[in-house]
Amino acid sequence: DARVTQTPRHKVTEMGQEVTMRCQPILGHNTVFWYRQTMMQGLELLAYFRNRAPLDDSGMPKDRFSAEMPDATLATLKIQPSEPRDSAVYFCASGLSTNEKLFFGSGTQLSVL
Amino acid sequence: GDSVTQMEGPVTLSEEAFLTINCTYTATGYPSLFWYVQYPGEGLQLLLKATKADDKGSNKGFEATYRKETTSFHLEKGSVQVSDSAVYFCALRRNYGGSQGNLIFGKGTKLSVKP
Repeated sequence: DARVTQTPRHKVTEMGQEVTMRCQPILGHNTVFWYRQTMMQGLELLAYFRNRAPLDDSGMPKDRFSAEMPDATLATLKIQPSEPRDSAVYFCASGLSTNEKLFFGSGTQLSVL
Repeated sequence: GDSVTQMEGPVTLSEEAFLTINCTYTATGYPSLFWYVQYPGEGLQLLLKATKADDKGSNKGFEATYRKETTSFHLEKGSVQVSDSAVYFCALRRNYGGSQGNLIFGKGTKLSVKP
């Protein structure tokens, strides 16, 4: 079964440290999304790529967050410096721009102490 | 802006009970509507979808009908099982002239089914 792979599954770090989360989209998919899930806010879109180009990152705090796709098989989400309020589950999802179904990874559980 | 509102949980039911999870939306134009399900420790999975008014999406015994007049997309199942225990998310996606925009999710409704 093709699946979206996210690493690490869990990350505990201290405030001020850099955090990098990685996502391997399903081979052939040309859209990639990063979502953040918290109890208070639910699922929030952070960034959206199509054909590796960023289309929408308006939901991402620009001062500390950055999202990139170095190549078609890797998407990264970086937080520098991390803060306790960044504690959440971060999901990556991929799909085809011609198809409405999104495939989600299992998420990265981030705890910033 | 576009938004999705769904009933707050948690919802606790006995096995074989009837399930309804309400979902209403606000959007310009004609969005596509979705229900996603999240099992513990996993990512979201598409459960069903409907792309135009009066369409009915169905899967695994779950159904939802796209009602434009009431801007609703309520999820129903006639007889729930313990294995249906999960968090259910209603979502919409605006269609930008053929290219797909991102999903906008509701807050999620946690369902617990007791034996």
